[in-house]
Amino acid sequence: EAGVAQSPRYKIIEKRQSVAFWCNPISGHATLYWYQQILGQGPKLLIQFQNNGVVDDSQLPKDRFSAERLKGVDSTLKIQPAKLEDSAVYLCASTGQGWVGELFFGEGSRLTVL
Amino acid sequence: SQKIEQNSEALNIQEGKTATLTCNYTNYSPAYLQWYRQDPGRGPVFLLLIRENEKEKRKERLKVTFDTTLKQSLFHITASQPADSATYLCALHTNAGKSTFGDGTTLTVKP
Repeated sequence: EAGVAQSPRYKIIEKRQSVAFWCNPISGHATLYWYQQILGQGPKLLIQFQNNGVVDDSQLPKDRFSAERLKGVDSTLKIQPAKLEDSAVYLCASTGQGWVGELFFGEGSRLTVL
Repeated sequence: SQKIEQNSEALNIQEGKTATLTCNYTNYSPAYLQWYRQDPGRGPVFLLLIRENEKEKRKERLKVTFDTTLKQSLFHITASQPADSATYLCALHTNAGKSTFGDGTTLTVKP
């Protein structure tokens, strides 16, 4: 079974530029999450999708971050414009058991904002 | 405010000993709690899940306890090996479907 795929693995941009990250969850997984993990901290939830609907985006900085999951499968997270404090690893996770059960994480996309 | 605290940022133990990691929380009513392992440059990997009505779960050399009165979970690795060296994250999940991770404890097992 293929795992959660994320790309790119690494991205370096200058502040005020834009960046997009892509995630393809495990086949059949209805729930998809985007987390931000700053160095030395635990993952912080940005947004949760159930199929193509948003379940929770309360911690998403909506003035600069956006995410979509148009067909209920893969998802894109965009940051525009980026700030220095956005430097982090962006992790995508999925689960096929609704809200109960293990989360399957991708390897993450490491963003450096200069 | 809601808070999750994992014990000291780093834990160093000798190979063969038991590692005990703690996860304390305040102002949560978790339905269940999970433990994950994260290696440098990798995503977290699920280890164990324990529900609010369970006291203890075991999986091979791993054991987790959950005390909702003390608001604490303990994670034990028995007969630790250098390969167990990693960061361990606890995550609380509520019935409302919200999940929150602690900042993790980095375990180093020395040969």
